Amino acid sequence: KNQVEQSPQSLIILEGKNCTLQCNYTVSPFSNLRWYKQDTGRGPVSLTIMTFSENTKSNGRYTATLDADTKQSSLHITASQLSDSASYICVVSEGSGGSYIPTFGRGTSLIVHP
Amino acid sequence: DAGVTQSPTHLIKTRGQQVTLRCSPKSGHDTVSWYQQALGQGPQFIFQYYEEEERQRGNFPDRFSGHQFPNYSSELNVNALLLGDSALYLCASSLDLGPQHFGDGTRLSIL
Repeated sequence: KNQVEQSPQSLIILEGKNCTLQCNYTVSPFSNLRWYKQDTGRGPVSLTIMTFSENTKSNGRYTATLDADTKQSSLHITASQLSDSASYICVVSEGSGGSYIPTFGRGTSLIVHP
Repeated sequence: DAGVTQSPTHLIKTRGQQVTLRCSPKSGHDTVSWYQQALGQGPQFIFQYYEEEERQRGNFPDRFSGHQFPNYSSELNVNALLLGDSALYLCASSLDLGPQHFGDGTRLSIL
């Protein structure tokens, strides 16, 4: 069964600090991995997407890494801001040849305090 | 340029009833996917519509059905509602299998 596990479940940090969120997956065959940010009461917004051949992707203060051998990904947030408070969801899609079945993690709830 | 819009934003139903949720995709997008997100959980993939046909389907019963119209908008229908169907229903649109853009969802409560 395809699974995406995220850790930690929740995280509290001070404004200006860095943090790293983890994602482990067992999805096969692997197609791509995406990180989303979901504010409370809103739909998820895409931060990064990586395919098998990519091992790092940045979007401003967000940097995602992918190790396809160990099936692990991380999302690093630099110089956190209050607006970074949200749920961060890792999504891994399986398939090839046009197939697309995504498996979502439960998300990491990040709270940034002033 | 309007993004993905969903209606209604909130809905209350009772067990056994039927419900229809609606989604208008982002301009230029031709593919619509539906997700169910229970409280405190990640979204679960229900199905995806492309060219007015269901292209992919997740592990959901036949009570969940959908439709895509020629203008790419989509509906999600759920029959014989159960208490466990209470969730946030998210619609995402994309250009074929490209990056998905999500709407803010419909919050469905079953009493």
